[in-house]
Amino acid sequence: DAMVIQNPRYQVTQFGKPVTLSCSQTLNHNVMYWYQQKSSQAPKLLFHYYDKDFNNEADTPDNFQSRRPNTSFCFLDIRSPGLGDAAMYLCATSRGTGGHGELFFGEGSRLTVL
Amino acid sequence: AQTVTQSQPEMSVQEAETVTLSCTYDTSESDYYLFWYKQPPSRQMILVIRQEAYKQQNATENRFSVNFQKAAKSFSLKISDSQLGDAAMYFCAYRSASGANSKLTFGKGITLSVRP
Repeated sequence: DAMVIQNPRYQVTQFGKPVTLSCSQTLNHNVMYWYQQKSSQAPKLLFHYYDKDFNNEADTPDNFQSRRPNTSFCFLDIRSPGLGDAAMYLCATSRGTGGHGELFFGEGSRLTVL
Repeated sequence: AQTVTQSQPEMSVQEAETVTLSCTYDTSESDYYLFWYKQPPSRQMILVIRQEAYKQQNATENRFSVNFQKAAKSFSLKISDSQLGDAAMYFCAYRSASGANSKLTFGKGITLSVRP
């Protein structure tokens, strides 16, 4: 059974039209992450939540926002998608942020920007 | 800042044969963790194997084993008796053992194909 579920799996949007991607988890993990993965590139961490504490990466554009209304759900909002934002977006969870901890990933949401 | 390098973008292996995927990393830290993650086509990324830097013994998980060379900052993955289901993208990743919010740093990945 899937433990980290991302919706939608595929999202097509127009240039500048806001989009929201969702992630839910059944693991009761306190940490949730959002990664951006472009073709032939390493997944890049955008931000993560440790419980309700939001941790933004220094180089994450302001165009990307996130919400975590409860332990199970986390949303990625792209306020004005540009062509360069077309990518796979991966949600992941972990129990704590200790270095040994395994991350559990969803299947990803592929965003296309027209 | 830590970096992870996977210099080979693609590799191919014959079913039942052995293949080694290379990874190097750069860090000034002495205590950290290294991981190999597998991402099958259209499926979620999953952990294959994990190595703790302070352990000299190489980690093994069934057909998967690593060759961890701390001085050389090298961390290769060996897949024995390759199976068709091993075809996927493999990512090497690094994570510091210190700090409350240490993040996972990935390499660019390598696409492994398995020939029947």
